Amino acid sequence: DTGVSQNPRHKITKRGQNVTFRCDPISEHNRLYWYRQTLGQGPEFLTYFQNEAQLEKSRLLSDRFSAERPKGSFSTLEIQRTEQGDSAMYLCASSLGRGPEAFFGQGTRLTVV
Amino acid sequence: GQNIDQPTEMTATEGAIVQINCTYQTSGFNGLFWYQQHAGEAPTFLSYNVLDGLEEKGRFSSFLSRSKGYSYLLLKELQMKDSASYLCAVRAGGGNKLTFGTGTQLKVEL
Repeated sequence: DTGVSQNPRHKITKRGQNVTFRCDPISEHNRLYWYRQTLGQGPEFLTYFQNEAQLEKSRLLSDRFSAERPKGSFSTLEIQRTEQGDSAMYLCASSLGRGPEAFFGQGTRLTVV
Repeated sequence: GQNIDQPTEMTATEGAIVQINCTYQTSGFNGLFWYQQHAGEAPTFLSYNVLDGLEEKGRFSSFLSRSKGYSYLLLKELQMKDSASYLCAVRAGGGNKLTFGTGTQLKVEL
């Protein structure tokens, strides 16, 4: 098992474009989380899936953001009409059940120019 | 909402002991977590406390006092590779999301 995998690792996009990120969690993990982290800050929760169901969504997640986990395995996070304020590291994490340990991926660093 | 406070930066000497404090205010507390994050890398899980007391794991220990809304992470026999950001995070209610502090940047010097 190679851990949580995210791609791309880096994405530079022009303002107004749409971007999509992918997260492949650890294979037997049924819970998947998306967080966003800016420089000098801790990760901020965006959304959470249990299997394919999106059970919780932060108020930080505007209607330009959408996340899916269609078969309860990998997940995608799409940002439409990107803005400069969307520039951040987008982190995915997964866990087994409600266990305390969540494993984070390396993140996708988004730069909106 | 939740409020988590931890110092922004700390400096310590190789071989020494350092204590990183975290205070929090939340309702429905359901666990406190410590993560380590090296620059440009993913956070990695260090410890979890849900009951009062000390949890020890090798060179790392974490303490929790729920009545005081207080935790600390204790690092012993510091090594240069321990230079990193240490993130305190709280889980509350029946949900699963973690609310993180801003992190404490620890610098270990010779």
